Amino acid sequence: GQQVMQIPQYQHVQEGEDFTTYCNSSTTLSNIQWYKQRPGGHPVFLIQLVKSGEVKKQKRLTFQFGEAKKNSSLHITATQTTDVGTYFCAGPRNAGNMLTFGGGTRLMVKP
Amino acid sequence: GAVVSQHPSWVICKSGTSVKIECRSLDFQATTMFWYRQFPKQSLMLMATSNEGSKATYEQGVEKDKFLINHASLTLSTLTVTSAHPEDSSFYICSASWGTAQETQYFGPGTRLLVL
Repeated sequence: GQQVMQIPQYQHVQEGEDFTTYCNSSTTLSNIQWYKQRPGGHPVFLIQLVKSGEVKKQKRLTFQFGEAKKNSSLHITATQTTDVGTYFCAGPRNAGNMLTFGGGTRLMVKP
Repeated sequence: GAVVSQHPSWVICKSGTSVKIECRSLDFQATTMFWYRQFPKQSLMLMATSNEGSKATYEQGVEKDKFLINHASLTLSTLTVTSAHPEDSSFYICSASWGTAQETQYFGPGTRLLVL
């Protein structure tokens, strides 16, 4: 079945450093979605990428969808303590609107 | 943005009891609701998908008699954990979406269940 993998699992950074998480799917995706889950909280939708090679920015966050639509990345520039949390990518299954979530990357930021 | 609520946020119960969790879409009509389970420091595991007025579709390995799902209206879905046991202790999160495939899912705040 479809698998969505994320690396790294964990990342410790010093505040101000950059951070990147990578997402890879075993199948071609029609779109990729990113969610953020703060410690003790629930996933919150960040963005959806649809087009091959698409790049979108949200302030210090840059999201990219690969040309083959099988991988994606999230890059955070100059991390802040408010960026702490787990970032999940998710891709739709072939049928229906179910999502397959990646394992998540847990970001910890040292002040 | 779309708002999804869940109730209760915390449940502590004795082994053998049943627990009902409600998931409501507050400002939109959710054609589909999803139920996930999340263990500490792990990803979201889809348990079942429910469409309003029809039976839920359960993921492989999820016991439908154990986790009863009802989606009686476009704004309410319930998950009942029947005869709960300590291994059922987890974080249960619902999400809701509308429209056809590829729509964004909006998550509820989750329910933490602890079975003693």
